[in-house]
Amino acid sequence: QVQLVQSGAEVKKPGASVKVSCKSSGYTFTSFGITWVRQAPGQGLEWMGWISAYNGDTIYAQNFQGRVTMTTDTSTTTAHMEVKSLRSDDTAVYYCMRDPRGDYWGQGTLVTVSS
Amino acid sequence: QAVVTQEPSVTVSPGGTITLTCGSSTGAVTSGHYPHWIQQKPGQAPRTLIYDTSNKHSWTPARFSGALLGGQAALTLSGAQPEDEAEYYCLLSYSGGRRVFGGGTKLTVL
Repeated sequence: QVQLVQSGAEVKKPGASVKVSCKSSGYTFTSFGITWVRQAPGQGLEWMGWISAYNGDTIYAQNFQGRVTMTTDTSTTTAHMEVKSLRSDDTAVYYCMRDPRGDYWGQGTLVTVSS
Repeated sequence: QAVVTQEPSVTVSPGGTITLTCGSSTGAVTSGHYPHWIQQKPGQAPRTLIYDTSNKHSWTPARFSGALLGGQAALTLSGAQPEDEAEYYCLLSYSGGRRVFGGGTKLTVL
């Protein structure tokens, strides 16, 4: 069965970086893209960007351009999303979602940014 | 960046019918925006109910349907159940592949 399993919760200090992973299984990894979404506490969903697992092409939301890097590792069927220069308002649950139909979501990874 | 608008909250009676809408600041929503509808219950990960305007996943209850109505994307719930209480988000695609979520609609079944 298709599964997207994300890495565990992280606590980071302002200015640091965090890398969240999304391990895919149960399907041909390179046939789909991965979208990253985040949700701040008590807030709505925010689209961060997309990566093609086929060729690594990326599209980032303007809000994250230059601060977020999405990558894939086809050998481990894992997508990664790194956020640099963390701020307190980056505290959120980060989700990965299989594209283009959004049919599978990861369980979410809580990233807490606090001094 | 485009702004996607949804009703902040709606209430439906059990067994009733309700339509949630999703508009775009750039103009009419079309099939080219590939509207998705996502349901999220408290403490849970989101799950996608509808993709590309009106297509359902295998887990999507038959009482949910998606369409384009009056220049907006619409999610209709026919025969609301208590378990349908949740936040509903629409997601639209724009040129260049960027996508934007609406602010979400809190659905209460009461």
